[in-house]
Amino acid sequence: RKEVEQDPGPFNVPEGATVAFNCTYSNSASQSFFWYRQDCRKEPKLLMSVYSSGNEDGRFTAQLNRASQYISLLIRDSKLSDSATYLCVVIPGGGNKLTFGTGTQLKVEL
Amino acid sequence: DTEVTQTPKHLVMGMTNKKSLKCEQHMGHRAMYWYKQKAKKPPELMFVYSYEKLSINESVPSRFSPECPNSSLLNLHLHALQPEDSALYLCASSQGQDSYNEQFFGPGTRLTVL
Repeated sequence: RKEVEQDPGPFNVPEGATVAFNCTYSNSASQSFFWYRQDCRKEPKLLMSVYSSGNEDGRFTAQLNRASQYISLLIRDSKLSDSATYLCVVIPGGGNKLTFGTGTQLKVEL
Repeated sequence: DTEVTQTPKHLVMGMTNKKSLKCEQHMGHRAMYWYKQKAKKPPELMFVYSYEKLSINESVPSRFSPECPNSSLLNLHLHALQPEDSALYLCASSQGQDSYNEQFFGPGTRLTVL
């Protein structure tokens, strides 16, 4: 089993739709969780950290379920500019070594 | 200013060349990282520097040699590379080496080895 698993997609959604991505992780001792977005041929950009209590930033909501070992990202009112690959990132245990999922591709269409 | 800069943006080199990639951050971050990313794959960690000392080397071949001249700069020296080393090389930094510290990536150097 991979340390971090994501559905690669692509998810093709119309503008204005709500879309959700899930990501599962295998190490129950994982402590830190993040969502990054990566545009084609660009660097990953931090979208948000994921806190135990869940957190929201505008149209984006992240949730953590430790019991089931998954994190989720919800995007409301999708924009064309949201089209990107969304990378689930976990730090399994202490330290600073990021473990990336393979990414989920989102395409928002008119 | 949450910016990490990298030079050059693109690099083409032969297998016998020696070149260096440079990374700079002025956020006062004390941990810096090199990642390698192949097309349609996630980034793979190569090296971590913490407080200017190498703390993690992910079994990277010796043809890649990192250097941290000071807390703001990180170099990656390249020598005798192979065509399969062609990739996007990403530098990142974080405030410290704790797991909750968010990492910020530079724009990367796209390397082609002929």
